[in-house]
Amino acid sequence: GAVVSQHPSWVICKSGTSVKIECRSLDFQATTMFWYRQFPKQSLMLMATSNEGSKATYEQGVEKDKFLINHASLTLSTLTVTSAHPEDSSFYICSAYSAGTPSDNEQFFGPGTRLTVL
Amino acid sequence: DAKTTQPNSMESNEEEPVHLPCNHSTISGTDYIHWYRQLPSQGPEYVIHGLTSNVNNRMASLAIAEDRKSSTLILHRATLRDAAVYYCILRDVWQGAQKLVFGQGTRLTINP
Repeated sequence: GAVVSQHPSWVICKSGTSVKIECRSLDFQATTMFWYRQFPKQSLMLMATSNEGSKATYEQGVEKDKFLINHASLTLSTLTVTSAHPEDSSFYICSAYSAGTPSDNEQFFGPGTRLTVL
Repeated sequence: DAKTTQPNSMESNEEEPVHLPCNHSTISGTDYIHWYRQLPSQGPEYVIHGLTSNVNNRMASLAIAEDRKSSTLILHRATLRDAAVYYCILRDVWQGAQKLVFGQGTRLTINP
């Protein structure tokens, strides 16, 4: 299956700093990428949907000025958590989708990035 | 989005079959039934999907009720590596890259 990577796999930062998380589709071009957040013992919550070259669509309740998403190419999307606070500590997971391919019924997920804000 | 209902947890023994149920009584005619699983501290991975007919792949089988209001994911011979949270999700076939709405899923424990 297709491979999606995330970098970094974990990050610890101080409160008030910004953190950038990268999501890359390694062997296919992703027309759409999704960002999820998962708190301990809970399910995945979709944060936003991004299409290459256009603005991300955020889910209700997700602050677009706090969680900046850039999808500059068909293989890379970034999520920047600005002015992070301890309540932003979570497991952030991206997924990628490629329309018009034999596997276009699947979303391919990255391994996740664990963010801890002190 | 159409809702699915799954048991919170299930337990089985290694090398035995596992049947994971999912109820989706409000499913529409254009909804695919997808199953993903999430191993501890990892992102989810695709398991299988179907529309009306039963489906088989190398990972599992998907049995879909005739009225499509329920489905069952079947792991034919569970291993310890199958311990994960399994999510049953509906996706509209006409909406392409539609977001996946994850419910709470079923936490599957496999005993050695």
